[in-house]
Amino acid sequence: SSELTQDPAVSVALRQTVRITCQGDSLRNYYASWYQQKPGQAPVLVIYGKNNRPSGIPDRFSGSSSGNTASLTITGAQAEDEADYYCNSRDSSGNLLVVFGGGTKLTVL
Amino acid sequence: EVQLLESGGGLVQPGGSLRLSCAASGFTFSNYAMTWVRQAPGKGLEWVSSISGSTYYADSGKGRFTISRDNSKNTLYLQMNSLRAEDTAVYYCAKELGATSQHYYDYWGQGTLVTVSS
Repeated sequence: SSELTQDPAVSVALRQTVRITCQGDSLRNYYASWYQQKPGQAPVLVIYGKNNRPSGIPDRFSGSSSGNTASLTITGAQAEDEADYYCNSRDSSGNLLVVFGGGTKLTVL
Repeated sequence: EVQLLESGGGLVQPGGSLRLSCAASGFTFSNYAMTWVRQAPGKGLEWVSSISGSTYYADSGKGRFTISRDNSKNTLYLQMNSLRAEDTAVYYCAKELGATSQHYYDYWGQGTLVTVSS
């Protein structure tokens, strides 16, 4: 079982705003990073740290954190945002190990 | 352009061994931590191991997997021994954002499939 918990599936209407969440005790001490994965493709980093976007990631993607919950928000979702989204962070052991959430399948309606 | 190219996957019997390689280009390989992440068929991502100045392993591979790197060849390795059916997955190598292992993976290879079956 994952130490980071994500909703298995979320849907959003085209051009609306959606928040994908990730819960875990380690998020009280460490930032999450977020990855987008489309079928048959490698994951792509979309958000890391407090709220940083790698070059080339649209600014409709943003991140936030509160307590034990990290969130990825897509403001004005596009059809091409339909994908699986994974959070990751340190685990709660303090041994600098890493854990991924179980992933959220985002459907854009 | 950053490129990561994995190789070495294939079909192996339970209890067997494989060594995965990841050839890196387009960046100063020695300056960055590197990581292996796997994905079982139809499942989510699972962190396997990272290397910076130190090495780190998930419990699932501890004692069976060894991560290493050859900075002169710009290559990352994962030696996998005593393989089990549950190790069947696509194995991705990923570049970290910095020199230390911080779980921020900004480039990924396309993956290599490891199938453990008799």
